[in-house]
Amino acid sequence: SQTIHQWPATLVQPVGSPLSLECTVEGTSNPNLYWYRQAAGRGLQLLFYSVGIGQISSEVPQNLSASRPQDRQFILSSKKLLLSDSGFYFCAWNPDGGWPTYNEQFFGPGTRLTVL
Amino acid sequence: GDSVTQMEGPVTLSEEAFLTINCTYTATGYPSLFWYVQYPGEGLQLLLKATKADDKGSNKGFEATYRKETTSFHLEKGSVQVSDSAVYFCALDSWGKLQFGAGTQVVVTP
Repeated sequence: SQTIHQWPATLVQPVGSPLSLECTVEGTSNPNLYWYRQAAGRGLQLLFYSVGIGQISSEVPQNLSASRPQDRQFILSSKKLLLSDSGFYFCAWNPDGGWPTYNEQFFGPGTRLTVL
Repeated sequence: GDSVTQMEGPVTLSEEAFLTINCTYTATGYPSLFWYVQYPGEGLQLLLKATKADDKGSNKGFEATYRKETTSFHLEKGSVQVSDSAVYFCALDSWGKLQFGAGTQVVVTP
């Protein structure tokens, strides 16, 4: 069966510090991968998606970036965090079905990021 | 662009009460519609989905019908339990990307 992991589970960082969140998927190959952010009291906002290694699409201009160095690894980064970056970050995946795909997305447990 | 609007919470109910969470959408074309649930401290889980007009999605006693004429996908459950306490998100699939509503917190008391 497929599983998705995210770490760390929680993170407290000062403003201006760098960020690296990691997501890995097991039990599948060539998945589509997604990063979402959930600000307090808000719905999820799609930040990035990837249909393959090295292929990243950005949905929202911001100070975050994403990379996919391996087939089942997706990394969210920032060089300098802002207060507004606080929130929950979720990684998700769905099976490769061409693009656009209408397959159900499966979500990881999330990372709670607090920027002080 | 495509968007989803759902009723604000929190919604507080007693056990065995009837639950309705309203969801309407704006979209070009005919997107797939979803309800996701987020239990405390966990990630989102798909609750149910519908892929075309008049489809009814159902799971764990929850139901939602894809209504094209009213652009709605309201979530209902006839008798809620304390374990249904969670945040519920309505979402649509917009060309492979999910657009979420703001979420509705549901609190069920014994």
